[in-house]
Amino acid sequence: EAGVAQSPRYKIIEKRQSVAFWCNPISGHATLYWYQQILGQGPKLLIQFQNNGVVDDSQLPKDRFSAERLKGVDSTLKIQPAKLEDSAVYLCASSHAPTSGLYNEQFFGPGTRLTVL
Amino acid sequence: AQSVSQHNHHVILSEAASLELGCNYSYGGTVNLFWYVQYPGQHLQLLLKYFSGDPLVKGIKGFEAEFIKSKFSFNLRKPSVQWSDTAEYFCAVLSGSARQLTFGSGTQLTVLP
Repeated sequence: EAGVAQSPRYKIIEKRQSVAFWCNPISGHATLYWYQQILGQGPKLLIQFQNNGVVDDSQLPKDRFSAERLKGVDSTLKIQPAKLEDSAVYLCASSHAPTSGLYNEQFFGPGTRLTVL
Repeated sequence: AQSVSQHNHHVILSEAASLELGCNYSYGGTVNLFWYVQYPGQHLQLLLKYFSGDPLVKGIKGFEAEFIKSKFSFNLRKPSVQWSDTAEYFCAVLSGSARQLTFGSGTQLTVLP
């Protein structure tokens, strides 16, 4: 089966510019995650969707970051305006919906490497 | 909030050497534990996981990990590494309340041929 798709793979912008990343999850996966991975650190969850609803966005810097999953399939993460510290790899992951609190394996995409100058 | 510590940032081994990567977590409740691997140029992928039962879990490619509850540890082991094991390894915890994955900072493993 096709994996999680992300685009673009690389993006270079100047601070204060805006940028958007796109993610298409594995077909049939109801849950979608966006992670931020800063160099030298592990991935950090930004936002989790269940279908088109937000499950958790407690670690999303909402003054500049936004995300949507309007039709419950693909998703867009936007940063506006970008800061130098936003330089990172942005990972998208998807999984089947949790069943009775059970964990379903998350499958990760290749990521988008963002450089803010 | 839960946290995960991986004390080895970069490990360099020769082929056939034994491997042990440390992982400690800070959460007193029920946890589910994972090791993920990212090979050069590839996606992050699941190596193995512990949910319950036998604390010694076996994963793909000959890797295993042991959950020691009293030490809050979930160390990754492999008796004999290969050059193809060169990758970055992440330990992660799924805590009972948040149902979120919290990752450690990762360990870069370099295996010399």
